[in-house]
Amino acid sequence: DSGVTQTPKHLITATGQRVTLRCSPRSGDLSVYWYQQSLDQGLQFLIHYYNGEERAKGNILERFSAQQFPDLHSELNLSSLELGDSALYFCASSVVRETGELFFGEGSRLTVL
Amino acid sequence: GQSLEQPSEVTAVEGAIVQINCTYQTSGFYGLSWYQQHDGGAPTFLSYNALDGLEETGRFSSFLSRSDSYGYLLLQELQMKDSASYFCAVREANQAGTALIFGKGTTLSVSS
Repeated sequence: DSGVTQTPKHLITATGQRVTLRCSPRSGDLSVYWYQQSLDQGLQFLIHYYNGEERAKGNILERFSAQQFPDLHSELNLSSLELGDSALYFCASSVVRETGELFFGEGSRLTVL
Repeated sequence: GQSLEQPSEVTAVEGAIVQINCTYQTSGFYGLSWYQQHDGGAPTFLSYNALDGLEETGRFSSFLSRSDSYGYLLLQELQMKDSASYFCAVREANQAGTALIFGKGTTLSVSS
């Protein structure tokens, strides 16, 4: 158990819908990262927050947005869902802003039908 | 931008030694990390090299050559439970900060 909690674990929805994925980082961790992993694909970096501020953005679609709240939990919002958005979405946290060691949650598996 | 290259698949037998290579191109390099992921599970951190040389942690070792933009993960005394995907990752810098960028992963299959 990494100490990072993601909810929901599984989510099935329809095209065009909107979902919110939630992440609670390890106690004391200020950095939260979001990654997308499609079938047989690597981990695609989406976005990084540090202490409430966006620090880096990857290939995140305009239909996706995220934020980190004052209590340091983070939410990833996915809207106008398409079939291709079906994937595992991982959240990871670290205590410092710059590090090679991230602690990953178990992921949220999104299926868009 | 950045790119990481690692083999897509590696096979080995129990007890053997296997080396997974990773070459990278990045505009700002801070270090090379390795992660293990069992099927459908959470990636777990294995090692991080910021300086040239070999880091050893039990059966796993990781090596970095900054001048060659190259690193590898060495797994010794392979066990069936080592069957997993292994990802190298580099920290990429941009104007706002840095992100940890992952390679596409190497699937290791260990047979008896």
